Amino acid sequence: KNEVEQSPQNLTAQEGEFITINCSYSVGISALHWLQQHPGGGIVSLFMLSSGKKKHGRLIATINIQEKHSSLHITASHPRDSAVYICAVAYSNYQLIWGAGTKLIIKP
Amino acid sequence: AAGVIQSPRHLIKEKRETATLKCYPIPRHDTVYWYQQGPGQDPQFLISFYEKMQSDKGSIPDRFSAQQFSDYHSELNMSSLELGDSALYFCASSLENRWGHSNTGELFFGEGSRLTVL
Repeated sequence: KNEVEQSPQNLTAQEGEFITINCSYSVGISALHWLQQHPGGGIVSLFMLSSGKKKHGRLIATINIQEKHSSLHITASHPRDSAVYICAVAYSNYQLIWGAGTKLIIKP
Repeated sequence: AAGVIQSPRHLIKEKRETATLKCYPIPRHDTVYWYQQGPGQDPQFLISFYEKMQSDKGSIPDRFSAQQFSDYHSELNMSSLELGDSALYFCASSLENRWGHSNTGELFFGEGSRLTVL
């Protein structure tokens, strides 16, 4: 069983909509990463969280350590936001455990 | 700003050949991770290095080996290539949390090296 659960697996929305992607994990972690993967494969690190909330442009990421849950929000979504968004958690060793990813499509 | 550099970006090999992928981390980053992502699959952790020593090992086949050099770049060597080795190989780098042994540093990823085995 994957220790990192993401939802939804697929999300299609209209341009301008507010997007939320959720991530749950099973045990205590040292950090959680939100990553973006575009067609062709390149991965971009969006956020690294260990507590609280971070904001970068139209992207907001939150984490609740007690509930073992994180969310990635996109405000005023745009077609260029279309990508796979991946939640990955880091435990006390050097490994990252990846979620299955959420495929986001934003239609003009 | 300098990013994580991987080379080559694309590589085509035949079965039973060998391949070497290189990863140049962000300057001053001391930790390097290697991941393998097969077609339509989640990335799988292969191996990581901290300060030129192997720090953790994941699902890396015995046919593969890797090391981190004195300039912190890392190389992934793959021998006796099989069709199933065709994948996108990612390298990521970070700066380890100097106050502990757990890695809480922000990760930076390379663009990946796409290996095709024919």
